[in-house]
Amino acid sequence: KNEVEQSPQNLTAQEGEFITINCSYSVGISALHWLQQHPGGGIVSLFMLSSGKKKHGRLIATINIQEKHSSLHITASHPRDSAVYICAVRGRGETSGSRLTFGEGTQLTVNP
Amino acid sequence: KAGVTQTPRYLIKTRGQQVTLSCSPISGHRSVSWYQQTPGQGLQFLFEYFSETQRNKGNFPGRFSGRQFSNSRSEMNVSTLELGDSALYLCASSFGQPYGYTFGSGTRLTVV
Repeated sequence: KNEVEQSPQNLTAQEGEFITINCSYSVGISALHWLQQHPGGGIVSLFMLSSGKKKHGRLIATINIQEKHSSLHITASHPRDSAVYICAVRGRGETSGSRLTFGEGTQLTVNP
Repeated sequence: KAGVTQTPRYLIKTRGQQVTLSCSPISGHRSVSWYQQTPGQGLQFLFEYFSETQRNKGNFPGRFSGRQFSNSRSEMNVSTLELGDSALYLCASSFGQPYGYTFGSGTRLTVV
C-alpha cells in the first residue's frame, strides 16, 4: 500500500461544478502539500498545510491530522483548472529534510 | 523575482553515457531537492542538499549523484545511463523547514 493515496485518479467535470480531490496518508507528517502540474511538466505549489484549512481564490484545502486525510476543493471550476493535482507529504524529524512522498496524482479535466 | 531555473530543458543521451543537470534556486534559498518523474513510478525523491551538504537521499542506485555549490546552485549527475532513466527531472528550492517549495520547470531526459 502506498504511503500517500489519492482519489479519484481521473475526474471529468463541467465548467462551474464544485470539485473535490481526496488524499489519505499513512505516516506521521510535518506538512502536506497540494501541487498542480500542467502539461509540459512544470509544478506549482498550491498549498502547504499542517492543520486546519487554507483558501486561495477558488481553491480550498483542508486537513484532518487525526484522520490522516486532506481534501482539495475547487469552486466554480473552469477549463483552465484542467491539470494534474498531486498530494505530497513531508515526514517529521530533522532527517526528513525536504523529502516529499507523493500521491499518484488526479487528472482533472474541466469541459466548457 | 526569478524562479527556479533548470537547464537544459530537454536532453537526449545514448545508453551508457553520463549526464549532468543543473538547478539554480531562488535567491536566498539554501535547500535544493531533486525528484524523478516517470509514467510508471510517478514522482520520487532523489536527494536534498542544504548548505552544500547532502541531507537526505532516496532509494536510487549510486549512479545518481549530486552536489551543491556555495551559491546554492545544484547539479545532479547520472552515470552509465539506462533506458529506464528517461524521465522528467525536477528540482525544488526552499528556505528549508518549515517553508514551502518552489519547483523548476524540469529537464526532460530521453535515453536512447
